[in-house]
Amino acid sequence: AQSVTQLDSQVPVFEEAPVELRCNYSSSVSVYLFWYVQYPNQGLQLLLKYLSGSTLVKGINGFEAEFNKSQTSFHLRKPSVHISDTAEYFCAVSDLSGNTPLVFGKGTRLSVIA
Amino acid sequence: DGGITQSPKYLFRKEGQNVTLSCEQNLNHDAMYWYRQDPGQGLRLIYYSQIVNDFQKGDIAEGYSVSREKKESFPLTVTSAQKNPTAFYLCASGTASNSPLHFGNGTRLTVT
Repeated sequence: AQSVTQLDSQVPVFEEAPVELRCNYSSSVSVYLFWYVQYPNQGLQLLLKYLSGSTLVKGINGFEAEFNKSQTSFHLRKPSVHISDTAEYFCAVSDLSGNTPLVFGKGTRLSVIA
Repeated sequence: DGGITQSPKYLFRKEGQNVTLSCEQNLNHDAMYWYRQDPGQGLRLIYYSQIVNDFQKGDIAEGYSVSREKKESFPLTVTSAQKNPTAFYLCASGTASNSPLHFGNGTRLTVT
């Protein structure tokens, strides 16, 4: 079984500053990794995904994430945040079989301060 | 446009009443999921279905029931046995494990 730990429940950051949201996972098998974003009172939208290949993955809205197999991490980064990035961010993991549902972390609330 | 529709957006019920949340998708996805979201707890899986007429319990299935009679529809019933039903409920659908899930906009259920 897989598990996901998002190390920070809340991250405040000033507008135009860089941000990193941390995600560690645990799994005995190879995995796929995802980051989703949720705006208030809405569903989740996919930001980016790692399936295979290059460990640096670029997503929408200027976000990117780096897969580090040795550290079992998949941290999300953005070099300069905007007010509109204020939202909750979820890291998720699935195995390669397709038979088990996606497992989500508890989320990190990013607050961008003007 | 293809997508997932959850209705209603807000739902209010009295304690002791069963209530059914609707989820419809026109993405032709085989798999559908119900998650419950509470502040600080992330998304917890209630039930999922990978094929019509079949479904499995997730991590917190007690007090909930589902059906999957059609590929497009996966309604969730919150029964009176669910001890703390007030929450935000999210429905999702997907295909293979390397494909992302598509989410509806959720139903906020308040039970008083």
